[in-house]
Amino acid sequence: DVVMTQSPLSLPVTLGQPASITCRSSQSLVYSDGNTYLNWFQQRPGQSPRRLIYEVSNRDSGVPDRFSGSGSGTDFTLKIRRVEAEDVGVYYCMQGRFWPYTFGQGTKLEIK
Amino acid sequence: QLQLQESGPGLVKPSETLSLTCTVSGDSISSSTYYWGWIRQPPGKGLEWIGTIYYTGITYYNPSLKSRVTISVDTSKNQFSLRLSSVTAADTAIYYCARHILTADGDSWGRGTLVTVSS
Repeated sequence: DVVMTQSPLSLPVTLGQPASITCRSSQSLVYSDGNTYLNWFQQRPGQSPRRLIYEVSNRDSGVPDRFSGSGSGTDFTLKIRRVEAEDVGVYYCMQGRFWPYTFGQGTKLEIK
Repeated sequence: QLQLQESGPGLVKPSETLSLTCTVSGDSISSSTYYWGWIRQPPGKGLEWIGTIYYTGITYYNPSLKSRVTISVDTSKNQFSLRLSSVTAADTAIYYCARHILTADGDSWGRGTLVTVSS
């Protein structure tokens, strides 16, 4: 299985400050069609996961533009431009290039 | 508005079969655009993709569970189902159903249902 490794696992952030999470895959996530199947999910406390980003950098509808994704090949980053209180939760990267789809361990974002 | 609702027993005995159904409203499960999947999350832990089905019945199972998993679709009821046999305490988790697509907007998950394996 493709191993997804996130860092940091815990991310204390001051409100209004930026935050960044990195994700590394054990294999390149570029498919033969040229697409890179890397997603980011947010799981708020007590809620189901919600996808934020697909194909590295495309935001899902309704996702605030303070969230952005970047990267290529095996290294990816999720950035939050200015953290708000509603951003508290666990963030997961997920690869959809190889079966079975696999997730990172999760990064817990909390407010300092 | 799309809704996915998981249903099934919240308690299953060891060695028995876990059975869950996902009822989809607000979209047709026969849509050629999307896939339908099951994902689980042990309490306080990370996410594991169990399997996926297309409306035609094509299935993809996680090899770690493949010998025990069956996912099926009932287009007449707009539902898809999960069966996991020979369960143990390690199968205790919140089980989510989801509509998913890798290449466009439209990913959506249900609220999840906790299944506990215990005698």
